[in-house]
Amino acid sequence: DAGVTQSPTHLIKTRGQQVTLRCSPISGHKSVSWYQQVLGQGPQFIFQYYEKEERGRGNFPDRFSARQFPNYSSELNVNALLLGDSALYLCASSPSGTSGKSSYNEQFFGPGTRLTVL
Amino acid sequence: ILNVEQSPQSLHVQEGDSTNFTCSFPSSNFYALHWYRWETAKSPEALFVMTLNGDEKKKGRISATLNTKEGYSYLYIKGSQPEDSATYLCASVILTGGGNKLTFGTGTQLKVEL
Repeated sequence: DAGVTQSPTHLIKTRGQQVTLRCSPISGHKSVSWYQQVLGQGPQFIFQYYEKEERGRGNFPDRFSARQFPNYSSELNVNALLLGDSALYLCASSPSGTSGKSSYNEQFFGPGTRLTVL
Repeated sequence: ILNVEQSPQSLHVQEGDSTNFTCSFPSSNFYALHWYRWETAKSPEALFVMTLNGDEKKKGRISATLNTKEGYSYLYIKGSQPEDSATYLCASVILTGGGNKLTFGTGTQLKVEL
């Protein structure tokens, strides 16, 4: 079975541009979460989506937005890119995403998209 | 403890050594603790999800314990092998009603040398 896939693998943008990152969850998983990992730090939570609804949002500016599609795939958009947005963006899927026992669910991560902003 | 903290930051051991590292997390509103193993150029891979105080989990040569009252978890690797070289991340889940948000530590980078 295919794991979580992300595209593109690498991306180079310039300051002020906009970028869209894509994620396909494991088949049957309805929850997708996005994380930003800057070198030397652990992944930072950006968003969680479940059944196309936003279920959680981290401490990121409004330049960051996301959505989930009926097939449970997801896109992360970042507008007005800054140099500090350079990072590895990880997507993770899990079977469910509401609070309660689903929080016990391990999350399955994709390989990430490496974004470089020049 | 306000954040998730891991120690040591990095560790070099010889093949066959046993090793352990620590994850400290906020004990209030604790819900679950996850351990992940992240090899270079690969995706983070879940090792354990722990929820109950006193939990002990084991997978092969790797085991973990959990103390939710004092807010720490230990990860142990017995008889380290070169293939154990990776970054080990822990992440806490706090009950906020805001979804399944993982708060990660910065990781412990383990290098096992022959």
